[in-house]
Amino acid sequence: GAGVSQTPSNKVTEKGKYVELRCDPISGHTALYWYRQSLGQGPEFLIYFQGTGAADDSGLPNDRFFAVRPEGSVSTLKIQRTERGDSAVYLCASSLGLAGSKTDTQYFGPGTRLTVL
Amino acid sequence: KQEVTQIPAALSVPEGENLVLNCSFTDSAIYNLQWFRQDPGKGLTSLLLIQSSQREQTSGRLNASLDKSSGRSTLYIAASQPGDSATYLCAVLWVYNNNDMRFGAGTRLTVKP
Repeated sequence: GAGVSQTPSNKVTEKGKYVELRCDPISGHTALYWYRQSLGQGPEFLIYFQGTGAADDSGLPNDRFFAVRPEGSVSTLKIQRTERGDSAVYLCASSLGLAGSKTDTQYFGPGTRLTVL
Repeated sequence: KQEVTQIPAALSVPEGENLVLNCSFTDSAIYNLQWFRQDPGKGLTSLLLIQSSQREQTSGRLNASLDKSSGRSTLYIAASQPGDSATYLCAVLWVYNNNDMRFGAGTRLTVKP
């Protein structure tokens, strides 16, 4: 399909392990966002990419979290030394990323459900 | 502090009823406000986006209103259907922020046939 895809759909890991979550945005979208959604809560902003660069990473909770987008398309969210509190659904969204526009519609992927045991 | 609150947390109505979902936000200096729908195990779908200069937006059976001065938005759903059952999320983008929307916790709607 032509939507945002995320892999894996589910990830179960043990405390202390390293995980990578992948996001494939809609082709041609230059802006990409990562959100984290805990049970019963709305999504919480983590990081925003414009092209290859992180334009705003103010939502990353600590230095265990890191995200890259080396070619301006696919992005990987990396979590080191996972903790039980990291368990959540991680959502990715993309938008056209028009220069100076804050009104782009964000298109969301189905998310990756991360469970840290 | 920028916060978004949605009331009620859950709502159950019989099919055919008109209903209103509420969203309130601190700080009236918003850029826009958006309503999303989220189905279980799926991502978010944008329903309506209201710019700060607008008072309302309509799409089919949905109508969203915005009152910046009171820090409130409502989503009105007319003639509800079982297919409307989902979680509805309100998200606010303040002028100070880049593109990081702040979401409410959502209202889980169940429309019973």
